Formats: sequence, C-alpha cells, structure tokens
Amino acid sequence: EVQLLESGGDLVQPGGSLRLSCAASGFTFGEYSMAWIRQAPGKGLQWVSCIFGSGFDPHYSDSVKGRFTISRDNSKNTLYLEMNALSVEDTAVYYCAKGPYNSCVNYYDFWGQGTLVTVSS
Amino acid sequence: DIQMTQSPSTLSASVGDRVTITCRATESISRWLAWYQHKPGKAPKVLIYQTSTLESGVPSRFSGSGSGTEFTLTISSLQPDDVATYYCQQYNKFSLTFGGGTRVDIK
Repeated sequence: EVQLLESGGDLVQPGGSLRLSCAASGFTFGEYSMAWIRQAPGKGLQWVSCIFGSGFDPHYSDSVKGRFTISRDNSKNTLYLEMNALSVEDTAVYYCAKGPYNSCVNYYDFWGQGTLVTVSS
Repeated sequence: DIQMTQSPSTLSASVGDRVTITCRATESISRWLAWYQHKPGKAPKVLIYQTSTLESGVPSRFSGSGSGTEFTLTISSLQPDDVATYYCQQYNKFSLTFGGGTRVDIK
C-alpha cells in the first residue's frame, strides 16, 4: 500500500525558513517523480515543485522559484522541500504527491494528508 | 500559465441526481486533464486521468469527457459519500495548474 507521510510544518515568522519532509513507502521510490502541492486557507490547490526519480532537473512554480528547493534521498525514501524567505502568502497545507511514472508533467496518483505551514509574526 | 476555470463553484443536489462539473482551459491541453476528489482533512484522490480514464477502484458512476479546452466530470447518480470538493488539473505543460474547485453537497 502506497503511503506518503509529510512532516515539518510549523509556525514561522516572515523571512524565516523551514524544511518539510515526506516519508514514502509501498513503492519503489526512486522510479517515480514526486511533487509538492499546496492549499492556502480557503483556496484551491497550487502546484509548487516537482523532481524526477533521479533527483535531477527539478521544476518550480514562479511563486517559489529561487526561494524553495526540492530534493530527495532515494536511500531513505524521503522527499524534501527547503523553504526560505517565507512570506504570509506561503501559508498553506503542503501535500506531497507521487506521479504515476517518472515524469514531472503529470497528474498525481497518490497524495499525503498534508502538513500545515503558517507564516505569521 | 494555463488557467483552469471550474463551474459551478458550489452545487447542491439530491441523492441519485446526475451531477456535471465543467472545467475550461485558457488554451488547448489536448486530453491532458485529471479530476480529483478532496474531502476535508483527507488526502486528495485522483478519480480520472487523461480526460476519461477511470483510476482503479473509482466507482463507475464517475465519468469524464472533453478535449481541447472544455471538459466535464459527471457523477451519474450522486451518493452521500460523494460530498467533497472536486478539482480539475491540466498536465499539458508547466506550470501545472488546477481549477478553483467545485464543492458538492447533498440537498
């Protein structure tokens, strides 16, 4: 059974940093692309970033490019999102999601339950 | 970026009703469209991908159609378990984008 478990969400001040993790199980982690998708309070879903199974060639939305870094450790079956220069607009539930194959231009066939990031002073 | 517009934003229907949600793209996405069901506090769940392919385990009352810029998700007979918010997502090209969501509840 595929499981994705996010962690690391917290309350952080504007300008601060945070690292999210997503522990994956139930599939061969390194063979699939992975992504982060967020949902701000009362808003819809917003794609944030994606990374190929190899860990190369990450992609980012314009709203986070230069501030967020996606990475993965295939030996630990874990996906990460390093978030810097956080602003109140980054407040959201962050979901980890798995692609159905090793491509970043994808839909997502499994999602975690999310971790809440709150940016506030 | 390709913008995805869903309508209606909310709908209320009776158990057994046929329900249709529309998703429009600002440019052609061929058939690279997925639909998700999202219940509060739960992980979003893919229902349909590539416009009309039903994900394994999804009830057959869900169906999708369309191409180019206009797409629909249909629930043929609404059930209490279908109360949720539904999102479309295009995956034709970056940046991947979602519709604003349609909240479905029971009248």
